[in-house]
Amino acid sequence: GAVVSQHPSWVICKSGTSVKIECRSLDFQATTMFWYRQFPKQSLMLMATSNEGSKATYEQGVEKDKFLINHASLTLSTLTVTSAHPEDSSFYICSVYLTETQYFGPGTRLLVL
Amino acid sequence: SQQGEEDPQALSIQEGENATMNCSYKTSINNLQWYRQNSGRGLVHLILIRSNEREKHSGRLRVTLDTSKKSSSLLITASRAADTASYFCATDAWGGTSYGKLTFGQGTILTVHP
Repeated sequence: GAVVSQHPSWVICKSGTSVKIECRSLDFQATTMFWYRQFPKQSLMLMATSNEGSKATYEQGVEKDKFLINHASLTLSTLTVTSAHPEDSSFYICSVYLTETQYFGPGTRLLVL
Repeated sequence: SQQGEEDPQALSIQEGENATMNCSYKTSINNLQWYRQNSGRGLVHLILIRSNEREKHSGRLRVTLDTSKKSSSLLITASRAADTASYFCATDAWGGTSYGKLTFGQGTILTVHP
C-alpha cells in the first residue's frame, strides 16, 4: 500500500487568516491526490482532485478561490484555506489512489476562531 | 454528493456478537469499498469488492454485494471492543471522469461493549 502523511495534524487560526495543509505520499509517486472534508459526525465529502502539474478539479459547490490546491511534485499536494471563517472549521483528509484502493492521510483538524 | 445511505446509523453490541452494516448506492459502480475510521483519525481500507463479485471474506470481515439492489453489507464476526469505530462504504463509479474518485456513504457508528 501507500503511506500518506499530513501536516499539520491540527491547527487553530483566527478568522480571516489563511492556512496551508500539506499532504505527502511517502512511498509512492502520485500524479493524483484527493482532498476530502468531514464535518463532525458526518461522512467524507470530496472537495477536489489534485493533479500534478496542472489545475485541480473541484467538486460542485466548492469554491476554488477559497480552497487553493497546488500539486507541485509527485509526492506533495497542498490545500490552502484562504480567508478562513468559523464555518471552514472541519477535518480535512487527503488520499492517494493505488491499485483500486484509496490510502488516506491521518487528517488535519482545522478550528477557525 | 453522497452516493447513498448506510444503516443503521449507530449500532451497539456486546463483545463476541456479530455486527452487520448495510450500504445502498445509486449509480453503477466499478467497485465498492469499506473503510474504518477511529474517532478523529484517518480512514483505513478494510476490503474491496468488485461489481462482478457477490461475496468476499477477509479475516473476520464478510462483505456482500447485490448490484441488482445496489446494496452491500459488511459483517464483522466475533466483534471485539477494538472494533469500535465508524464504518463507511464508498463507491468507485463506473464511467467516472476521475479515476479513483470515491463517493462515501453516511457511515455507521459501531460501539462494541466489553
